[in-house]
Parts: sequence; C-alpha cells; structure tokens
Amino acid sequence: EADIYQTPRYLVIGTGKKITLECSQTMGHDKMYWYQQDPGMELHLIHYSYGVNSTEKGDLSSESTVSRIRTEHFPLTLESARPSHTSQYLCASQGSGANVLTFGAGSRLTVL
Amino acid sequence: AQRVTQPEKLLSVFKGAPVELKCNYSYSGSPELFWYVQYSRQRLQLLLRHISRESIKGFTADLNKGETSFHLKKPFAQEEDSAMYYCALSNQAGTALIFGKGTTLSVSS
Repeated sequence: EADIYQTPRYLVIGTGKKITLECSQTMGHDKMYWYQQDPGMELHLIHYSYGVNSTEKGDLSSESTVSRIRTEHFPLTLESARPSHTSQYLCASQGSGANVLTFGAGSRLTVL
Repeated sequence: AQRVTQPEKLLSVFKGAPVELKCNYSYSGSPELFWYVQYSRQRLQLLLRHISRESIKGFTADLNKGETSFHLKKPFAQEEDSAMYYCALSNQAGTALIFGKGTTLSVSS
C-alpha cells in the first residue's frame, strides 16, 4: 500500500549518541519534509527536499542533518543527541500539483 | 512575516453545540490555507483546504481576506470530532506549510 513510514516510533537514548530517524514513502513523491512538533507548539519545518540530492534547511534552526540519495528515502541524523533534541519528529511528503502533505506516524525522541 | 495564529489552546463544547476554531494569518499575497486534524493515536491528516470550498465531516471554513481569517466551523459538534486541529498556510516560496500552534477540541456528552 502506498504510504509513508517512519522508524523508530519511539526512541530513548543517552546524551552524545548518534541517531538516525528513518522516513520512507512509496508514493513516488518528489517533495519530502521534516517537521518538529513539541506539545502545545506549532509544527516547525526543519528540513525539506524537492528531489534526489536536493536538501534545504527549514525555518527552525536544527542541529540535525538530512540526505536524499533515493526518492523514497529521507533520513534525519543527529550526530550527538542532547536533551534539547527531545521532541516528536514528523516526516511528510507531497506529490506534484496539489499543495497537500501526507504525514508519517512520527518518531518520538527522548534524550536523557 | 508569514504567520498563523490560533488563539485558543483548548476549546471544550458539549455534543450538539456549534463549534468555531479560530485561525488568523499574516501573509502578503494570495494565501492558500488548510486545516489539518490529528485524532488520538492517529496521524496528522488534511481536513480541508480553502480552494476546495467543500464541507468535510460537517466542517467548513471560509477565507476572509479582509479579516485575514480562516475559521473552522461546524454547526453541531460530535464526540468523534475531539482532536487537535492545526491551521496551516502555504508560504510565499511555496516551499512548505506554516502551521499554527493548534487547538485541542474536546466534545463531551
């Protein structure tokens, strides 16, 4: 089934660890996004990509990095996690034409 | 600056009562506005967009450019409407959606 998948759904790690949040979509969408969502706060765009080998930083400054080597895959990496990185990370994709996002289920990260 | 403001963090109503979730925006140009909804333990999903001018699950939203508002309305709330609602604006560059902080709607019987 065409969908967007995020793994892990939940992750608890210690400070200083390197983590990668995976996001894959099987809809053939060119545009993909990462949003950060904190409770009671708006979703903040942290990264986006318009296609393979294209990545841009979003409105919210983030210490994370992303890559887009394949159309369907858009992983987010934190080289050295800190407690301030504790948040929910939402991946989304968008097909051409309609300005509508399809969201993944999210990855909830807790850094101790 | 482009911004979306949802002034209410929480809106509690009784079943059958009218609902209005407020959304104001700041944008220089012709905006494209959306309402997204997140039910408990489900993904964030599109509810409606202003260019469609449609009613989804009984909800409607009219773009008022004079008041720069895009309020979400439903005449009779149902318990299954309880969820988090986000108003969103497509930015000038068309790169991504700008979201408000969200409003939690709680409908009780």
